[in-house]
Amino acid sequence: EAGVAQSPRYKIIEKRQSVAFWCNPISGHATLYWYQQILGQGPKLLIQFQNNGVVDDSQLPKDRFSAERLKGVDSTLKIQPAKLEDSAVYLCASTDSNLNTEAFFGQGTRLTVV
Amino acid sequence: GENVEQHPSTLSVQEGDSAVIKCTYSDSASNYFPWYKQELGKGPQLIIDIRSNVGEKKDQRIAVTLNKTAKHFSLHITETQPEDSAVYFCAALIKAAGNKLTFGGGTRVLVKP
Repeated sequence: EAGVAQSPRYKIIEKRQSVAFWCNPISGHATLYWYQQILGQGPKLLIQFQNNGVVDDSQLPKDRFSAERLKGVDSTLKIQPAKLEDSAVYLCASTDSNLNTEAFFGQGTRLTVV
Repeated sequence: GENVEQHPSTLSVQEGDSAVIKCTYSDSASNYFPWYKQELGKGPQLIIDIRSNVGEKKDQRIAVTLNKTAKHFSLHITETQPEDSAVYFCAALIKAAGNKLTFGGGTRVLVKP
């Protein structure tokens, strides 16, 4: 079974630029999460999708972050404009909420804003 | 919302000794408690989990205990080995809230040979 795929692995941008991350969850997984992991901290939930609908985006900084999951499969997370404090690893995870609550994580995208 | 506290933030043990990590959660509706191991440059990987209808679960050298009344759960690693060195995260999930998964701050475990 293929795991959660994320791209790119690394990204360096200047502040005020925009950036987008892509996630392909495990096939058939209805729930998709985006987490932000700042160095030395635990993952912080940004947004959670159930199929193509948003379940929770209460911690998403909506003035600069946006995410979509068209067709309920792949998802993209965008930051525009980026700030220095957005430097972090962005993790995508998915779970088959109907059968198993284990969340599978991708390797993450390490973003550095300079 | 859910809040998960994890202690200690760092833990250094001698190879062969045991390691214990403790977590507390705030929302009594939480019903699933996974533990993840994260190695450098990788995403978190599930190592063991426990559901709210169980008090203890063991898988070879790792075990997890859950005290629902006190709202805390712990990870126990026995006979630690150098390859156990990593960052460990506890988490709590509320299925009734659409599988919302909240993580603790992590524990960096170093096993000294």
